[in-house]
Amino acid sequence: DQQVKQNSPSLSVQEGRISILNCDYTNSMFDYFLWYKKYPAEGPTFLISISSIKDKNEDGRFTVFLNKSAKHLSLHIVPSQPGDSAVYFCAATNNYGQNFVFGPGTRLSVLP
Amino acid sequence: DAGVTQSPTHLIKTRGQHVTLRCSPISGHKSVSWYQQVLGQGPQFIFQYYEKEERGRGNFPDRFSARQFPNYSSELNVNALLLGDSALYLCASSLEVGPLNTGELFFGEGSRLTVL
Repeated sequence: DQQVKQNSPSLSVQEGRISILNCDYTNSMFDYFLWYKKYPAEGPTFLISISSIKDKNEDGRFTVFLNKSAKHLSLHIVPSQPGDSAVYFCAATNNYGQNFVFGPGTRLSVLP
Repeated sequence: DAGVTQSPTHLIKTRGQHVTLRCSPISGHKSVSWYQQVLGQGPQFIFQYYEKEERGRGNFPDRFSARQFPNYSSELNVNALLLGDSALYLCASSLEVGPLNTGELFFGEGSRLTVL
């Protein structure tokens, strides 16, 4: 039973355009959400997070939106750059620093 | 500053054998977590340790065990290896747990285990 879902295994975007990665969750107890980026042969690296008390968090080119009623969050990357090409994981938790539940990931390819 | 370091980076074992994976957290981080990532899936939580005590355990059999040492480094042990244990094992550290924690995990590059 996947509690965190990323229904798009892959996404291709032109350089300079917007990338939108989606994530859905089923557990209403989750109260903190994170996005991680993973390059081949490296561990995941933290990108951006959002608490359930907010509906938007922005950090440079990256913005995460949270819709609690729909149990949906999205990551927007504007403008997309070739260096953004990686696998992006959505993660959720209901107790800081303990059990993080990860989605299966979306592979983003930014085409020059 | 050194990040999270894991050893070995790659190893091959046969079914029934035992494996020990090691992790050194970022200096000052007191919490270490272990995750298993099977090809094509996201990381799956195995254990979390904080101040040498187990704080959380995922849905893994008793063949999986771990411990944390006084210097906050950690070991993950897997006994009686099965083919399905082949995966990338990721260690992550964080400064704290609970409300003081930012929620961010810092991952190592992982130990890739192949069971033949």
